Amino acid sequence: DQQVKQNSPSLSVQEGRISILNCDYTNSMFDYFLWYKKYPAEGPTFLISISSIKDKNEDGRFTVFLNKSAKHLSLHIVPSQPGDSAVYFCAASLMNRDDKIIFGKGTRLHILP
Amino acid sequence: KAGVTQTPRYLIKTRGQQVTLSCSPISGHRSVSWYQQTPGQGLQFLFEYFSETQRNKGNFPGRFSGRQFSNSRSEMNVSTLELGDSALYLCASSKTGTGRHEQYFGPGTRLTVT
Repeated sequence: DQQVKQNSPSLSVQEGRISILNCDYTNSMFDYFLWYKKYPAEGPTFLISISSIKDKNEDGRFTVFLNKSAKHLSLHIVPSQPGDSAVYFCAASLMNRDDKIIFGKGTRLHILP
Repeated sequence: KAGVTQTPRYLIKTRGQQVTLSCSPISGHRSVSWYQQTPGQGLQFLFEYFSETQRNKGNFPGRFSGRQFSNSRSEMNVSTLELGDSALYLCASSKTGTGRHEQYFGPGTRLTVT
């Protein structure tokens, strides 16, 4: 049972445009969400996070939006750059639990020149 | 500061063998988690250790085990290897745990079972 779903395996976006990566979750107890970025032959690196008490968190070109009623979050990258081409993982953790995090299957983002 | 290191980086084993993978966390980090990454399943949680204690375990068979030492270094072991165990095994460390704190991942160990 996939509790964190990234339904788009891949996404292609023109350089300079906005990239929007989506993530849905099924467990309403999740209260903290994170995005990680992964290049080939490297481990994932933390990008940005959001607590369920917020609906938006911004860090430079990266903004994460959380819609709790829809159990949906999205990562916006503006403007998209060639170095953004990577696999992006959405992850969620449970209230009062610090020992487990659940990842989605990832979305491969291609930034086109 | 030095990042998370994993050894070996690449490994080829045959079915039925066992394998031990090693992870050295960032200095000062007490939590180490292990993940299996495969093309079809993404990142799947194996287990998490904190101060030498396993706090949580994912849905993997008992052939997958791990341990953490007093210096926070961790090892995972897979016994009786199967073809389906071929994957990238990632280790991640954080100060206190996985849920609230960003984890720092190592480069992974690519295991191929033939």
